[in-house]
Amino acid sequence: GQQLNQSPQSMFIQEGEDVSMNCTSSSIFNTWLWYKQDPGEGPVLLIALYKAGELTSNGRLTAQFGITRKDSFLNISASIPSDVGIYFCAGYAGGTSYGKLTFGQGTILTVHP
Amino acid sequence: KAGVTQTPRYLIKTRGQQVTLSCSPISGHRSVSWYQQTPGQGLQFLFEYFSETQRNKGNFPGRFSGRQFSNSRSEMNVSTLELGDSALYLCASSLGGTNEKLFFGSGTQLSVL
Repeated sequence: GQQLNQSPQSMFIQEGEDVSMNCTSSSIFNTWLWYKQDPGEGPVLLIALYKAGELTSNGRLTAQFGITRKDSFLNISASIPSDVGIYFCAGYAGGTSYGKLTFGQGTILTVHP
Repeated sequence: KAGVTQTPRYLIKTRGQQVTLSCSPISGHRSVSWYQQTPGQGLQFLFEYFSETQRNKGNFPGRFSGRQFSNSRSEMNVSTLELGDSALYLCASSLGGTNEKLFFGSGTQLSVL
């Protein structure tokens, strides 16, 4: 089946640093979504991207939909301790993929004060 | 506006038993999707319901089934439980169109002993 390769798998950074993570796919996606999950909770939607080349911000978060439609990246600027968690990329292959997102493996982010 | 509500939060069952999980979507959302999350396989799509009809299905055995009621609430059933069914089961709701943003509940943590 379709796979999303998300990297890096984990990151250990100092508070105030910027963070970058990305997802790549062997096939085209029509929509890219980025989620954050805290332990024992469900994923929380951060950003949604719908068009190739689209760049969208949500506070300190910025995400882009790659021009080839096979990749996306997420940047977090000036990280703070509450940014700790697991970040997932997810994509819709389109067509009749109702409700069916393909998820990356996740990036575990640790922020040291 | 209340978010997606899943009950119960935790369940412990033994092999061979069956289990029913419940999900109440965000008010106005008519689509409900179910996902299984495990450390090894990540987030995997189970199925999606819209207006009481299953529109999409993932690659899970027939022991996994679901249904949706006229008020958009959904239930998921797993029969003849196996140890490998231990996972966090997540429900997500959306308006129901293609490429819609999914909003997740906190999940039901199922442990099969």
